[in-house]
Amino acid sequence: GAGVSQSPSNKVTEKGKDVELRCDPISGHTALYWYRQSLGQGLEFLIYFQGNSAPDKSGLPSDRFSAERTGGSVSTLTIQRTQQEDSAVYLCASSLAGFGNTIYFGEGSWLTVV
Amino acid sequence: EDQVTQSPEALRLQEGESSSLNCSYTVSGLRGLFWYRQDPGKGPEFLFTLYSAGEEKEKERLKATLTKKESFLHITAPKPEDSATYLCAVQAWTGANSKLTFGKGITLSVRP
Repeated sequence: GAGVSQSPSNKVTEKGKDVELRCDPISGHTALYWYRQSLGQGLEFLIYFQGNSAPDKSGLPSDRFSAERTGGSVSTLTIQRTQQEDSAVYLCASSLAGFGNTIYFGEGSWLTVV
Repeated sequence: EDQVTQSPEALRLQEGESSSLNCSYTVSGLRGLFWYRQDPGKGPEFLFTLYSAGEEKEKERLKATLTKKESFLHITAPKPEDSATYLCAVQAWTGANSKLTFGKGITLSVRP
């Protein structure tokens, strides 16, 4: 596709359930980022993938959060045993490798934990 | 630790009333300062990247400027369709991770 694609757009889940959020980056973009945006807060970095390098997981808030990227393209963010404080918009972004390149965002996955 | 502070938190303008949005930053070494626009329920939309102090970029009614400590987004004769949240972010030289560190954003409302 032309842009970063995320699914689902909206997800309502019960506390304690696991959820998976998918990101399909722009074709040819080797860098992929996950961010979280809570109500009234700025974007919080979660994890960064670049090519075949080990991902930078320094932003993951707890061990309930994990992410993988298969074949250098599609990425999945998994949240296990969801809590109400996990409710937020999860944004995926991608860019060409290197610094200074434009980082393009998807529309986000809105997660509500009830 | 890289930090970005945006002010004011919210700004209400009359159509045609020019103003500026401020982004102050502290970073170990700046690789780029990014401005994004975000509409409600949407992902951030890229506006500009500035790389060095003194640089300026323009797009329609928007002009972004950069100094060693802050960036300004000047809005000239705004229209209601300019209403949105404007996000500022920095990309630093430290490490191999090209992540952006964001401010909390400025919510702009332009009244007709």
